[in-house]
Amino acid sequence: DARVTQTPRHKVTEMGQEVTMRCQPILGHNTVFWYRQTMMQGLELLAYFRNRAPLDDSGMPKDRFSAEMPDATLATLKIQPSEPRDSAVYFCASGPAGTGPVRVNTGELFFGEGSRLTVL
Amino acid sequence: AQSVAQPEDQVNVAEGNPLTVKCTYSVSGNPYLFWYVQYPNRGLQFLLKYITGDNLVKGSYGFEAEFNKSQTSFHLKKPSALVSDSALYFCAVRVDSSYKLIFGSGTRLLVRP
Repeated sequence: DARVTQTPRHKVTEMGQEVTMRCQPILGHNTVFWYRQTMMQGLELLAYFRNRAPLDDSGMPKDRFSAEMPDATLATLKIQPSEPRDSAVYFCASGPAGTGPVRVNTGELFFGEGSRLTVL
Repeated sequence: AQSVAQPEDQVNVAEGNPLTVKCTYSVSGNPYLFWYVQYPNRGLQFLLKYITGDNLVKGSYGFEAEFNKSQTSFHLKKPSALVSDSALYFCAVRVDSSYKLIFGSGTRLLVRP
């Protein structure tokens, strides 16, 4: 049963520490998204990759957040330095390449279980 | 700008009764619309989508949604609710050809026995 795998599931850290969250997308999927979920803001799109290339990270605070895909099986989201306001659940999602001559992806995403981050 | 609105924070319904979770959208061009469900401490799961064609879309777990272009709505429905349907439901719209999904604020569905 193919699924998106995220680690760690839970992370408690102190303000100022570096946090790295990892995601293994479903094999063969070529789009990867990072979302952040909080009670106040709901689901926010942080970054988006297609074929490992970053296409949009406009939702991400650039001064402290960075997202990368070092290879097709790994996506990372790093926060340095972390702040209490970063406390949230971070979700990774992947999507298939799509079908047809232009390989249009109709938008169905597969989400991981999330990484719950608490910054004290 | 593309957006979706879910006007109800919570919907309460008795088991066995029909349920409706509302969603309205604002897009330029043809909308790609989605419903996802989130159970406690879990990631979102895809329920159904509207791309084109029949306005009534059927999805997982007996859910369906009706696309209404004139009212710019995409309400989620189920003829007979189950207690196990209690969860957080998100409506989403795809943004252009970028494959990005913009989610609504979510509606908590509570089905009482």
